[in-house]
Amino acid sequence: SQWGEENLQALSIQEGEDVTMNCSYKTYTTVVHWYRQDSGRGPALIILIRSNEREKRSGRLRATLDTSSQSSSLSITAAQCEDTAVYFCATDSGGSNAKLTFGKGTKLSVKS
Amino acid sequence: NAGVIQTPRHKVTGKGQEATLWCEPISGHSAVFWYRQTIVQGLEFLTYFRNQAPIDDSGMPKERFSAQMPNQSHSTLKIQSTQPQDSAVYLCASSLETGRDTQYFGPGTRLLVL
Repeated sequence: SQWGEENLQALSIQEGEDVTMNCSYKTYTTVVHWYRQDSGRGPALIILIRSNEREKRSGRLRATLDTSSQSSSLSITAAQCEDTAVYFCATDSGGSNAKLTFGKGTKLSVKS
Repeated sequence: NAGVIQTPRHKVTGKGQEATLWCEPISGHSAVFWYRQTIVQGLEFLTYFRNQAPIDDSGMPKERFSAQMPNQSHSTLKIQSTQPQDSAVYLCASSLETGRDTQYFGPGTRLLVL
């Protein structure tokens, strides 16, 4: 497997809390994609971070990438009920091959 | 823009039957990808096309699975002699080009093999 985690993880938090999800990967990459998947729908890209960025922000989302430890994280600030979803990290193969390799994902539940 | 369209949304087949899944990519997108999602294995890459040509089918099971893209407006994934272990959600995605362009996913086809 490309990724270190083996099983779908589950997190449950209260509305307004901050949360961080982590991924570690085994093979070299320069780009990490973060997707969210709502029930009954396909994954949707929410943030993409490249190795020369180390940190990327988009609204309440913050992604980090540490190529030395081969890990990435996604943080959500002040989580809201609508953030409830499954979040995946993914890498591509680099070069012209665009296939994505996904981690197992984190099922996030935000309760009011 | 209707997004990536997948039909049918749900399909139930008996063991040994054939299943054909359809994908209509976003107009103007040149790359089409197929993935499979199960609880146990998660999201797995199957195959992809660029400008209708097969580029990488390294994720396709060697037997019974085949994919085609006869024109720029649709791709099919065919599973012959379906088995219960083929039960999964099959996701199609498209992107403008390849490399690091965003892949836009369809809602998936949920296949259940009894």
